[in-house]
Amino acid sequence: GAGVSQSPRYKVTKRGQDVALRCDPISGHVSLYWYRQALGQGPEFLTYFNYEAQQDKSGLPNDRFSAERPEGSISTLTIQRTEQRDSAMYRCASSLASSSPGEQFFGPGTRLTVL
Amino acid sequence: AQSVAQPEDQVNVAEGNPLTVKCTYSVSGNPYLFWYVQYPNRGLQFLLKYITGDNLVKGSYGFEAEFNKSQTSFHLKKPSALVSDSALYFCAVRRALSYGGSQGNLIFGKGTKLSVKP
Repeated sequence: GAGVSQSPRYKVTKRGQDVALRCDPISGHVSLYWYRQALGQGPEFLTYFNYEAQQDKSGLPNDRFSAERPEGSISTLTIQRTEQRDSAMYRCASSLASSSPGEQFFGPGTRLTVL
Repeated sequence: AQSVAQPEDQVNVAEGNPLTVKCTYSVSGNPYLFWYVQYPNRGLQFLLKYITGDNLVKGSYGFEAEFNKSQTSFHLKKPSALVSDSALYFCAVRRALSYGGSQGNLIFGKGTKLSVKP
């Protein structure tokens, strides 16, 4: 079956521009997570949703970062006024439910480069 | 605070030899523990997990991991390494909650690069 998909796979933007990264989770998965992975590091948590409700946004680095999941399926992570330090791989994952101990399924990621 | 440590940046093994990739964790309460593998230009793929029960868990591609509560470790092992096992391996933890659920997000280690030579 279809896994988690993310688009675009690669995004190059100029400093100061806004970017929107999209995640389409596995059908039926309640929970959706956003992580950011710097080169040579493990993924770091940004935020997560159960259905359309944002449960935890403690990992968002500052108020330029926001996320939404308005219909409880597709999610968008938006970065306003991008800075070079925002360059990283942005990964999305989904799971049946955040309260279950089951694994999260990851998409291929979006590689963001801010020039 | 929860954390995961993978003390080795790289592990080198000859094909056919056993391999171990180390992981230790720190979490309040009981942990749920996971191993993921990342191949070049691919997403993270789930390998195995420990939730409860037997301390030795078996996963995909012949990998297994042993949960050791006293040493707070969850080392990944394979009896006989293949060249195709060469990849980046991540250990991760979630905090189990008292009612049987878990706190949502995963905490990852920084990863260990496994290199298997023929």
